[in-house]
Amino acid sequence: SAVISQKPSRDICQRGTSLTIQCQVDSQVTMMFWYRQQPGQSLTLIATANQGSEATYESGFVIDKFPISRPNLTFSTLTVSNMSPEDSSIYLCSVEGVQGHANTGELFFGEGSRLTVL
Amino acid sequence: GQNIDQPTEMTATEGAIVQINCTYQTSGFNGLFWYQQHAGEAPTFLSYNVLDGLEEKGRFSSFLSRSKGYSYLLLKELQMKDSASYLCAAYGSSNTGKLIFGQGTTLQVKP
Repeated sequence: SAVISQKPSRDICQRGTSLTIQCQVDSQVTMMFWYRQQPGQSLTLIATANQGSEATYESGFVIDKFPISRPNLTFSTLTVSNMSPEDSSIYLCSVEGVQGHANTGELFFGEGSRLTVL
Repeated sequence: GQNIDQPTEMTATEGAIVQINCTYQTSGFNGLFWYQQHAGEAPTFLSYNVLDGLEEKGRFSSFLSRSKGYSYLLLKELQMKDSASYLCAAYGSSNTGKLIFGQGTTLQVKP
């Protein structure tokens, strides 16, 4: 399994500000994934972060709102820009398990960053 | 379209067995996951089924029927700590990591 550390674990933000969430993995991974879980709802994939290339965004999510960095194989950041109360969610970083050189198919999640926008 | 359906809530008694069903419709299929999520925490991996059949892991088992687009999670010898939300998720395509999640089933275990 992979150990994924996210910070901040929670934050209270003012409308119109931006916040960057960091995700650190204890092993090198090709792809890192950012999910969002809005209150009372399930998880939705925001984007896939690949090292050395631009992130791939899912329908309904755009780079201007959720810029992502992936400077190396163990680290990624997600910024939530110009926040509004609708952005109040848990943001989760995830990676796929690796055994040897093969992906196991299991997806592991960080502890999440719970953002509240006032 | 792509859709994952599972019951919203279930209640069971400590020591009993409960089965949480999940049906899915995806444009492609590369596996079915079950995750457990306690309130305020991140999801934790329970099981991953790719082939038809039942996979057992201790008190938890997961079943998959690809032809029926159906899976279930079976929890035996329920404990109070099993009270949580159980998320069914599927790969909608061959894209690694792109999971489509169901709404989750909130299981309440009562004494």
